[in-house]
Amino acid sequence: KNEVEQSPQNLTAQEGEFITINCSYSVGISALHWLQQHPGGGIVSLFMLSSGKKKHGRLIATINIQEKHSSLHITASHPRDSAVYICAVDKGGSEKLVFGKGTKLTVNP
Amino acid sequence: NAGVTQTPKFRILKIGQSMTLQCAQDMNHNYMYWYRQDPGMGLKLIYYSVGAGITDKGEVPNGYNVSRSTTEDFPLRLELAAPSQTSVYFCASSPDRNGYTFGSGTRLTVV
Repeated sequence: KNEVEQSPQNLTAQEGEFITINCSYSVGISALHWLQQHPGGGIVSLFMLSSGKKKHGRLIATINIQEKHSSLHITASHPRDSAVYICAVDKGGSEKLVFGKGTKLTVNP
Repeated sequence: NAGVTQTPKFRILKIGQSMTLQCAQDMNHNYMYWYRQDPGMGLKLIYYSVGAGITDKGEVPNGYNVSRSTTEDFPLRLELAAPSQTSVYFCASSPDRNGYTFGSGTRLTVV
């Protein structure tokens, strides 16, 4: 079983819809990261969380340490939000990130 | 401020050839990483470095080598390329593991 699981694997939405992407992990962590990867493009860091909630524009990330779960929300989704969203955890005491397989989001106009 | 620069962006290699993927960062970050990304899989760590002169293996180091002679550069060497090394390679850096900057990737095909 992977240490980091994301759901759903694929998600299609209409422009304007509220989007939720989930990430569950099974190990102790010091931080959780949400990343964005556009088609054919590089990877951009969106959030780093160790507790609570963070907001940047239309993106909101939350984490529940007790439940080992994080969500990434996109409000008023737009076609330019179409990308793969990747969850990664920083395992305490390790130098390494462990990555989920990603959620491919397509937002149709 | 260029961030993390990877070269080349694309490369086709024949089986058995060797090459070096270049990675440079201008942010004075201590930590640098090489990942590979295969279709449908999460990024896998190949090698990492916590500072100049220090490197260590990640999850999938076989067939690769690295060096870190300066803070800025972290090249990845492929010796005797194999089809299994066909992948997209990402270099990343971090000052303190509280945030990561990724390069734009190198798409490598071994035929």
